[in-house]
Amino acid sequence: AQKVTQAQTEISVVEKEDVTLDCVYETRDTTYYLFWYKQPPSGELVFLIRRNSFDEQNEISGRYSWNFQKSTSSFNFTITASQVVDSAVYFCALSEALNSGNTPLVFGKGTRLSVIA
Amino acid sequence: EAQVTQNPRYLITVTGKKLTVTCSQNMNHEYMSWYRQDPGLGLRQIYYSMNVEVTDKGDVPEGYKVSRKEKRNFPLILESPSPNQTSLYFCASSLSRDWGNTIYFGEGSWLTVV
Repeated sequence: AQKVTQAQTEISVVEKEDVTLDCVYETRDTTYYLFWYKQPPSGELVFLIRRNSFDEQNEISGRYSWNFQKSTSSFNFTITASQVVDSAVYFCALSEALNSGNTPLVFGKGTRLSVIA
Repeated sequence: EAQVTQNPRYLITVTGKKLTVTCSQNMNHEYMSWYRQDPGLGLRQIYYSMNVEVTDKGDVPEGYKVSRKEKRNFPLILESPSPNQTSLYFCASSLSRDWGNTIYFGEGSWLTVV
């Protein structure tokens, strides 16, 4: 069965610090997708990244970077030089690519990041 | 503009009073689903639909119903709401059930049952 673990419930950092949010996943499939979403205080889910299981290249987008390691089943998210606007709850999610039947997004429980000015 | 629209965005209701949360997408997507988000539990799938007239239970379907009479709409029905259904609800849609396609989420509906 699919499972996503975000062991860090809450993290507080001071502005300009770097911070890494951990995500560990479990799946029996060889083909799957991993996601990160940001949920600001207003509540909507903001899509950040989707990565398929065959693409282990790390990705960088501005101050955001993602480290995907199949060997450790991890898909960690790093924010460099954090800003107050980064304060939010961040969710990691997993979906197996194609199954007979439903392929729900399975979410971790989220990590609440607070960036203090 | 591609979007998933949920209504109402905010609702306080009383136990037992039937309510419907509507969800509509303008992308001709086949796959739609409902999630609820609760503190410490993340998001969990309530129901999903692979196409018109094809719906099935997700992980936490108790107390909910859905229908899919047309492709664009996927309402979530609470026949007799109870306080444990107080939650933040999200509707999602995708071209197909393969999540390699882009997933679109609605803005969320905050529901309080007193």
